[in-house]
Amino acid sequence: DAGVTQSPTHLIKTRGQQVTLRCSPKSGHDTVSWYQQALGQGPQFIFQYYEEEERQRGNFPDRFSGHQFPNYSSELNVNALLLGDSALYLCASSLGTGVATDTQYFGPGTRLTVL
Amino acid sequence: ILNVEQSPQSLHVQEGDSTNFTCSFPSSNFYALHWYRWETAKSPEALFVMTLNGDEKKKGRISATLNTKEGYSYLYIKGSQPEDSATYLCAFSGGTSYGKLTFGQGTILTVHP
Repeated sequence: DAGVTQSPTHLIKTRGQQVTLRCSPKSGHDTVSWYQQALGQGPQFIFQYYEEEERQRGNFPDRFSGHQFPNYSSELNVNALLLGDSALYLCASSLGTGVATDTQYFGPGTRLTVL
Repeated sequence: ILNVEQSPQSLHVQEGDSTNFTCSFPSSNFYALHWYRWETAKSPEALFVMTLNGDEKKKGRISATLNTKEGYSYLYIKGSQPEDSATYLCAFSGGTSYGKLTFGQGTILTVHP
């Protein structure tokens, strides 16, 4: 059973560009959450997708957007990149009960560097 | 703004030592406390989900306790091994959060042979 997979592993962009990160959830999972981990900090919640809709959103600007496909895979898009967007982006999948006790299973992350 | 704090930030122990670290979280609107282990270059691995005050969970040499009234959880590792070296993260989940996890900054554990 493949776990959560993310692509690409690493990415280098310049300020002002746009980036798309991809995530495939664990088999049987229908909910995908995205987190940003800046250096020296814990992961911060960006948003969660369930049934192709954004179910909840963290404190991130509208430059961060996402999408979930019918096969439950997901994309994270970031527009007008800033230097401060450099971080590790983690995707997590879970079953869509939406309760706080759901275990979220994480992928290895995509390292984004903005120059 | 929810504050989840972990201490210490880092810890160095010798192989065979037992160790513990702390996660503090808001005691109001509590629903669940999650512990993860994150080894370098790997994915964070779920250890425990804890919900009830006084809850204790155990997985091999690792165990955790929960106090929801005062807002803290302890993670214990008995007889640390070099393979226990990792960052240990706790995450708070509130009752209306639909599974949004608010993480602490983590405790980096290094076990020296």
